[in-house]
Amino acid sequence: DSGVTQTPKHLITATGQRVTLRCSPRSGDLSVYWYQQSLDQGLQFLIQYYNGEERAKGNILERFSAQQFPDLHSELNLSSLELGDSALYFCASSVAGRKNEQFFGPGTRLTVL
Amino acid sequence: GNSVTQMEGPVTLSEEAFLTINCTYTATGYPSLFWYVQYPGEGLQLLLKATKADDKGSNKGFEATYRKETTSFHLEKGSVQVSDSAVYFCALSEDFNKFYFGSGTKLNVKP
Repeated sequence: DSGVTQTPKHLITATGQRVTLRCSPRSGDLSVYWYQQSLDQGLQFLIQYYNGEERAKGNILERFSAQQFPDLHSELNLSSLELGDSALYFCASSVAGRKNEQFFGPGTRLTVL
Repeated sequence: GNSVTQMEGPVTLSEEAFLTINCTYTATGYPSLFWYVQYPGEGLQLLLKATKADDKGSNKGFEATYRKETTSFHLEKGSVQVSDSAVYFCALSEDFNKFYFGSGTKLNVKP
């Protein structure tokens, strides 16, 4: 158990809908990272937050957004969902960016029908 | 730009065989390099890392050496076990904020 929790574990929804994925980092970790893992794209970095502020952006679509709240939990919002958004979404946390290990949560499996 | 290329899998080995999983990278600066392991149904776990050229990362019998001249970070283990069956990801980061992962290599170890 990494100490990072993600909810829900599974999510099934329809095209055009909007969903919110939630991540609670390990106690004391200030950084949260979001990743998308799909069969055709592999593991893609989406976005990083550090203590409530966006720190780095990767291949995140405009339909996707994220935020980190004062209690350090983070949410990833996915809107206007398409079939191709079906994937495993991982959250990871670390104490701080530089030279610190990322701890990954178990992931949320999103299926868009 | 930054990218990581690793050998396609699956790799199937018998127990106690020698393992090599190739990883090469492209980077604009001086990245740190990582190997992560993902067991079925779980998130990724850091296996080892190296932060500068010629560094060797090692953990649980796995090793990888940061080779700047060949831009490589190949993962090796002298004698694999069934419990090593998993998907292995090579990754790089220049600033520990943005990470780039390879496509993953699935390892199957047969008893």
